[in-house]
Amino acid sequence: AQTVTQSQPEMSVQEAETVTLSCTYDTSENNYYLFWYKQPPSRQMILVIRQEAYKQQNATENRFSVNFQKAAKSFSLKISDSQLGDTAMYFCAFMEYGNKLVFGAGTILRVKS
Amino acid sequence: KAGVTQTPRYLIKTRGQQVTLSCSPISGHRSVSWYQQTPGQGLQFLFEYFSETQRNKGNFPGRFSGRQFSNSRSEMNVSTLELGDSALYLCASSLAGVAAETQYFGPGTRLLVL
Repeated sequence: AQTVTQSQPEMSVQEAETVTLSCTYDTSENNYYLFWYKQPPSRQMILVIRQEAYKQQNATENRFSVNFQKAAKSFSLKISDSQLGDTAMYFCAFMEYGNKLVFGAGTILRVKS
Repeated sequence: KAGVTQTPRYLIKTRGQQVTLSCSPISGHRSVSWYQQTPGQGLQFLFEYFSETQRNKGNFPGRFSGRQFSNSRSEMNVSTLELGDSALYLCASSLAGVAAETQYFGPGTRLLVL
């Protein structure tokens, strides 16, 4: 079975600084998709960024970027210029076929002013 | 375009009762997936419906069931509620339910079983 591991239960960062959230996964497949979702206190799950495994280039969305290391099965999220609104639970998720997302346990990120 | 909507947003039930939750996907989306979120087990996949057919099912007991209507709206039902069923139930929709697509989540239904 596929598993997703987020080894950092909680992290904090000062406003305007950069923070990196870690994620590793386990699969024997070659084609799959990786996602970072954000869940603020409202509990609404919001897509932050996605990465296709067949693409070597790391995905970027404004202040959010990933470091995708396929051989190491690692998929970290970097948030630059952190803002108070980035405070949330961040989930790393994996999908290989079908429409089933497998989530990690999540990392609580607190941005401090 | 309106997002995924879920009703009701909050629900309190007692053990042994049954409950029905509703999810309306984004217009044009035909795939609806359901997830259960609890502090202990995290986010777990329940099932996925596409064109009124269940295509994929997670590892949950038969008390958890669902269906999808011709307009792609989906309902999930939990019978004989147990205390452990207290959770946030999230639904997500996507266009055709293939792995290349992004799933968009609704705000969730928070179920409390007393």
